[in-house]
Amino acid sequence: EIVLTQSPGTLSSSPGERATLSCRASQSVSNLAWYQQRPGQAPRLLIYGASSRATGIPDRFSGSGSETDFTLTISRLEPEDFAVYYCQQNSGSWTFGLGTKVEIK
Amino acid sequence: EVQLVESEGGLVQPGGSLRLSCAASEFTFSNYWMHWVRQAPGKGLVWVSFINYDGTTTNYADSVKGRFTISRDNAKNTLYLQMNSLRAEDTAVYYCVRGGPLRSLDYWGQGTLVTVSS
Repeated sequence: EIVLTQSPGTLSSSPGERATLSCRASQSVSNLAWYQQRPGQAPRLLIYGASSRATGIPDRFSGSGSETDFTLTISRLEPEDFAVYYCQQNSGSWTFGLGTKVEIK
Repeated sequence: EVQLVESEGGLVQPGGSLRLSCAASEFTFSNYWMHWVRQAPGKGLVWVSFINYDGTTTNYADSVKGRFTISRDNAKNTLYLQMNSLRAEDTAVYYCVRGGPLRSLDYWGQGTLVTVSS
């Protein structure tokens, strides 16, 4: 089973700052997605195919990477961006990373 | 807007059974793979099961294989998850999810809480 390791576990930032989240796979993956989950809400798809934004996702969210190393970047944090972010791969079955919490500093 | 509405979960005794359903609307249900994903209280997301367009292909996480069964009724636009031999570790919010582009998960229901406890 492919294991996804997300770092950092928690990122403390201020509104307006840039946030960089990492997701590393234990072996090469063909497709990687990112999700945002706000407290008390269902997850929301942000990025699929490592770099394609889902419908309605603001362009301050961007994804990059390939094979085993992937990054989600939020160019300027808005108040509603403070949430937990998960990466997910789908080579074979579907697995998620443990998440990165982006909290207000 | 895509709508996915799970049935109410509830409290079940260990060893018991429960069937979840998910009513889909505002999209052509039969054109999409569907999934169940769960989240234990305070924990991360865990993929549970997938079913293809017509129900001929399914897959399960090892933790539920042999105990859970996913199915769908395209005429009723409804997804199901039959959960048998429930354990305390199955306690979670269960999300009904639509399969999206490049095997992503693009629309999620609001989730339903299943609690397994005596």
